[in-house]
Amino acid sequence: DQQVKQNSPSLSVQEGRISILNCDYTNSMFDYFLWYKKYPAEGPTFLISISSIKDKNEDGRFTVFLNKSAKHLSLHIVPSQPGDSAVYFCAASGAGGATNKLIFGTGTLLAVQP
Amino acid sequence: KAGVTQTPRYLIKTRGQQVTLSCSPISGHRSVSWYQQTPGQGLQFLFEYFSETQRNKGNFPGRFSGRQFSNSRSEMNVSTLELGDSALYLCASSFLAGSTGELFFGEGSRLTVL
Repeated sequence: DQQVKQNSPSLSVQEGRISILNCDYTNSMFDYFLWYKKYPAEGPTFLISISSIKDKNEDGRFTVFLNKSAKHLSLHIVPSQPGDSAVYFCAASGAGGATNKLIFGTGTLLAVQP
Repeated sequence: KAGVTQTPRYLIKTRGQQVTLSCSPISGHRSVSWYQQTPGQGLQFLFEYFSETQRNKGNFPGRFSGRQFSNSRSEMNVSTLELGDSALYLCASSFLAGSTGELFFGEGSRLTVL
């Protein structure tokens, strides 16, 4: 049972345009949502997070939006840069108490074309 | 500050063998989690340790085990290897358990089972 879903395996965007990566979840008990970025041959690195009590969090070019009623979150990257090309994982935490257990989606490969 | 260090980075085993992977967390971090990454499955949670105690375990068979030492270093072991165990095994650390979910990942140990 996939509690966190990223339905788009890949996304291609032109440099300077907006990238929108989407994520859906099923467990309403999740209280934190995170985005991680992964380059080949490297471990995932934390990008941005959002608490379930908020609907938007912004950090520079990156903004995460949370729609709890739809159980949907999205990551917006504006403007997109070639260095943003990577696999982006959506993750959720908190459904099991005090734990660092994260439930990850399957990832979206973002390709930013120069 | 050194990052999360995983050894070995690459290894090849045959079916039926066992393997031990090692993880040294960031200095001062007491929580260590392990994840398995396979194509199409994203990152699957294996287990989480905090102060030498297993706090959480994912949905993996008993062939997968782990432990944490007093210096917070962690090892995971997979016995009776199967072809399906071929994956990237990622270790992540954080200072606390049950924080906001921001984990620091190592580069992973790439296991190939022949």
